[in-house]
Amino acid sequence: DVVMTQSPLSLPVTLGQPASISCRSSQSLVYSDGNTYLNWFQQRPGQSPRRLIYKVSNRDSGVPDRFSGSGSGTDFTLKISRVEAEDVGVYYCMQGIHWPPTFGGGTKVEIE
Amino acid sequence: EVQLVESGGGLVQPGGSLRLSCAASMFSFSTFWMSWVRQAPGKGLEWVANIKQDGSEKYYVDSVKGRFTISRDNAKNSLYLQMNSLRAEDTAVYYCARWAGRTKDFDNWGQGTLVTVSS
Repeated sequence: DVVMTQSPLSLPVTLGQPASISCRSSQSLVYSDGNTYLNWFQQRPGQSPRRLIYKVSNRDSGVPDRFSGSGSGTDFTLKISRVEAEDVGVYYCMQGIHWPPTFGGGTKVEIE
Repeated sequence: EVQLVESGGGLVQPGGSLRLSCAASMFSFSTFWMSWVRQAPGKGLEWVANIKQDGSEKYYVDSVKGRFTISRDNAKNSLYLQMNSLRAEDTAVYYCARWAGRTKDFDNWGQGTLVTVSS
């Protein structure tokens, strides 16, 4: 199985400051069609996961533009330009081109 | 807006069975692969099973093969997960999720239903 490794496990941030989460895959996430399939999900406390970003850098409808994704091959980053209180939660990266689909272990973003 | 509503969770003894349901609405259910994803208490996300649009292909995580069966009824816009021989390690919130083939991920999730396996 493809292992998705996220860091850090916990990320205390100050409101209004930037935050960055790293995700590394054990195999390349470049598909045969030339696209790279790395996705990010947000899970707020007590809620179900919600997709934020698909195919590395495409934001889902309704996702604030303070969220951005980047990376290539096996190394990816989710950035929040200015953290707001509603961003508290756990963030997961995920790949779906190598079976079975696998998630990173999650990064907990909290306000310090 | 896509809606996925799970039901059927509860407390069950080890070795017991449970059937989860997921009612889908506001999209063309029969044209999408569907999935179950679970989350053990305080833990991360784990894909459990996928089923093709017409039910002809099904895939499972190794830990549930031979014990869980995913199925669907397109006429009722419903997804199911029959869970047999349940173990303590199956304790989790089970989410119904829509598999997005174009992005190869889960683009919509239900609110989840809690399954607790304990004596």
